[in-house]
Amino acid sequence: EAQVTQNPRYLITVTGKKLTVTCSQNMNHEYMSWYRQDPGLGLRQIYYSMNVEVTDKGDVPEGYKVSRKEKRNFPLILESPSPNQTSLYFCASGTSYTQYFGPGTRLTVL
Amino acid sequence: QKEVEQDPGPLSVPEGAIVSLNCTYSNSAFQYFMWYRQYSRKGPELLMYTYSSGNKEDGRFTAQVDKSSKYISLFIRDSQPSDSATYLCAMSPSGGYQKVTFGTGTKLQVIP
Repeated sequence: EAQVTQNPRYLITVTGKKLTVTCSQNMNHEYMSWYRQDPGLGLRQIYYSMNVEVTDKGDVPEGYKVSRKEKRNFPLILESPSPNQTSLYFCASGTSYTQYFGPGTRLTVL
Repeated sequence: QKEVEQDPGPLSVPEGAIVSLNCTYSNSAFQYFMWYRQYSRKGPELLMYTYSSGNKEDGRFTAQVDKSSKYISLFIRDSQPSDSATYLCAMSPSGGYQKVTFGTGTKLQVIP
């Protein structure tokens, strides 16, 4: 089954404790992205990647890191999470014209 | 002012009605226009994708782009209860994955 998977789906953590949210796709897509979704602000792009080792900032990259060492994986790293990073995070993969979203990761930073 | 404006609703319509969902935008560099549907507790799924101005039809869905007015629309014909979801417009100057700006979404409820 073609899909984008994210782990964990739910995470509660404390300020400053480094965490990684994994994202994997099995569709051989070149393009992958990370978004956060907040009430009243909608979906905002954090980072995107056009291929292995090629990444670029979206609209809200501050406080986040990404890496693309393999085509199928695109982890999101929060090295020192803060409460304002509490949000619903989505990973997406796709072609030049389409994006397929994962199920989301709900992150709470206390 | 946000780059993309979308009425949050909620919008309630009876089953079988024609639904009109709209977004306005301010960035004239946007060339790619998308509509996504998001069910509660799920990730968005792409419904329609158009490049530049014009209309595109896919089954019960029609997307319209009027770049001169900076206005895009999604029409749903013969609406069904299964269409109840939040609809997100999205736009980009350079493709469906790059520098994508989303509207905040319109919540639609189709009443049987």
